[in-house]
Amino acid sequence: KQEVTQIPAALSVPEGENLVLNCSFTDSAIYNLQWFRQDPGKGLTSLLLIQSSQREQTSGRLNASLDKSSGRSTLYIAASQPGDSATYLCAAPSSNTGKLIFGQGTTLQVKP
Amino acid sequence: AAGVIQSPRHLIKEKRETATLKCYPIPRHDTVYWYQQGPGQDPQFLISFYEKMQSDKGSIPDRFSAQQFSDYHSELNMSSLELGDSALYFCASSPLGRPNEQYFGPGTRLTVT
Repeated sequence: KQEVTQIPAALSVPEGENLVLNCSFTDSAIYNLQWFRQDPGKGLTSLLLIQSSQREQTSGRLNASLDKSSGRSTLYIAASQPGDSATYLCAAPSSNTGKLIFGQGTTLQVKP
Repeated sequence: AAGVIQSPRHLIKEKRETATLKCYPIPRHDTVYWYQQGPGQDPQFLISFYEKMQSDKGSIPDRFSAQQFSDYHSELNMSSLELGDSALYFCASSPLGRPNEQYFGPGTRLTVT
């Protein structure tokens, strides 16, 4: 059974700092792993999808890595900005039917 | 690019009433998933459909039922609503042959009073 854990639960950093969000999963036989952003009370915005055959994906200031052998993924945010303040969720599929298991999220606050 | 459409976006119901949420997947997507996100919680999988057949089931109460229609849209029917059903309900769809690649709709916020 897939379980997904995110550390830390909350993070507060000054503007401009580089930061890393961590995600761990128990079943390494995953097809992919996805990172989402969620603003308070809003929907899920997909940030990055890493296929199992890939080790990392980049989009602008975001870089996500995937290490299946250790059951870990990281989301690296470079030069953080106040607009990056949100909750970041990682999710991994639980079975070949595709249902996603989400971590509890990391709530990020970037202070001006 | 077309996205997943959910309606309504907001819904207010009273206890013991019934609610119907609708999801219109991206064109040529054949799989639909439903998730529930309670306040301060992460999204939890409810149910999924592939080619109009139920493909997987999560922690969905017996009071809830869902189906996928011939045009691939899906409806989540919720009866005897309880206060605890207040949540964001997300629908996601995935393209043929890629069930692990999900695209999420904006969600329906259900408030039960």
